[in-house]
Parts: sequence; structure tokens; C-alpha cells
Amino acid sequence: GQSLEQPSEVTAVEGAIVQINCTYQTSGFYGLSWYQQHDGGAPTFLSYNGLDGLEETGRFSSFLSRSDSYGYLLLQELQMKDSASYFCAVYNFNKFYFGSGTKLNVKP
Amino acid sequence: EADIYQTPRYLVIGTGKKITLECSQTMGHDKMYWYQQDPGMELHLIHYSYGVNSTEKGDLSSESTVSRIRTEHFPLTLESARPSHTSQYLCASQRRGTNEKLFFGSGTQLSVL
Repeated sequence: GQSLEQPSEVTAVEGAIVQINCTYQTSGFYGLSWYQQHDGGAPTFLSYNGLDGLEETGRFSSFLSRSDSYGYLLLQELQMKDSASYFCAVYNFNKFYFGSGTKLNVKP
Repeated sequence: EADIYQTPRYLVIGTGKKITLECSQTMGHDKMYWYQQDPGMELHLIHYSYGVNSTEKGDLSSESTVSRIRTEHFPLTLESARPSHTSQYLCASQRRGTNEKLFFGSGTQLSVL
């Protein structure tokens, strides 16, 4: 089966840096994706790691280590609008599997 | 970029009613998915399709059914709605040959009284 573990909730202050971790167990693996979802909204794609290492997209970066079955999403210069849930996901057996999500609370 | 549409956005109905949630995409994507999500919870895959005339059940048991008669259209039907069906339903599509990205619709928030 597929299993993706994330912390349930993280709190940080505006302007800070926060890291959201994701550990996974999967019988096959193509890469790790990250999605952002605001309350009542739909998930939107943020980042993808097909290979080990760091991918940077503006204030957001994502990292993958296949040997550790581990990845993280790094958010820099936090803004209030970054308050949302963040999901990691893997693609396997022709389907996407999502983690349980991490709720990020950004405080002023 | 995300040309995938769901209607209605919100729906409140009584128990026992038959409903169809609509999902359409204009990107020509072959693969489409339906996810069910309760507030603050993970996304559960309930149905997916590889293309026209292809439908598969997901990992979460669901009393709903789907059809895929046209590439762009992937409606979900509940024959007899119950309060336990109250949830958000998210439709998504995937570009052929890719495995990193899903495009999501805005979702349908269903409340069954």
C-alpha cells in the first residue's frame, strides 16, 4: 500500500521560514508533489521533485531524498496568505495518493 | 491554466434525492479523478478514469457512480443521497505522460439533510 506521513499542524510568524516534512512508504515511486489548499478551496499544485535534491520556485522550495523516503516543503518569508493546508502526494499504480495534510498557521 | 470546471459549487438537498455533480475540462486530458474530502482532512480517491469508456473505483468505498462518455466530461452521480454523503467533492485531471501534477476544479460542497 501507500503511506504518506505529515505533521498535522505547524505554526509560524510572518516573515519566518517553515519546513513541512513528508515521509512516505510506497512500493513504487516516480516523484513527490506538493499542493496548497486554502479553507474551502481546491488544491493547487506547488512543486514537484522527480529527482533527489532541491527545487526552488520563488519563496517555496521542495526537497527529496529517495534513500530516506523523505521530502519537505520549505516556505520562506512567510506571509499571512500562506495560511493554508499543504499536502504531499505520490503517483503510483496510475493514481495519485495524498498525505493527510499539514495545516500551517501564520501569525502576525 | 486550470481549465476544469465543477458545478454546482454548493448543493443542499434532502435525503433520498438523486444528484449529479458535473465536471468538465477543456485541456484534452485523458485521466480524470474524483476525490472526496471532509473539512481539514485528507483527500480520498473514489473514482478515476483513463479515458473514454474507462471508469475505475478508487480506494475509498463510495455509493456513487461515474461515467466517461466524452473526454472532457466526467460526471458523478448519487442515486439516493444520505447525510453521510455530506462532504466536498473534488474533480481533477492529469495531462497524458505526466506524473507530477493534477489540475483541480473548485469543488462541490454537498450537504444532505
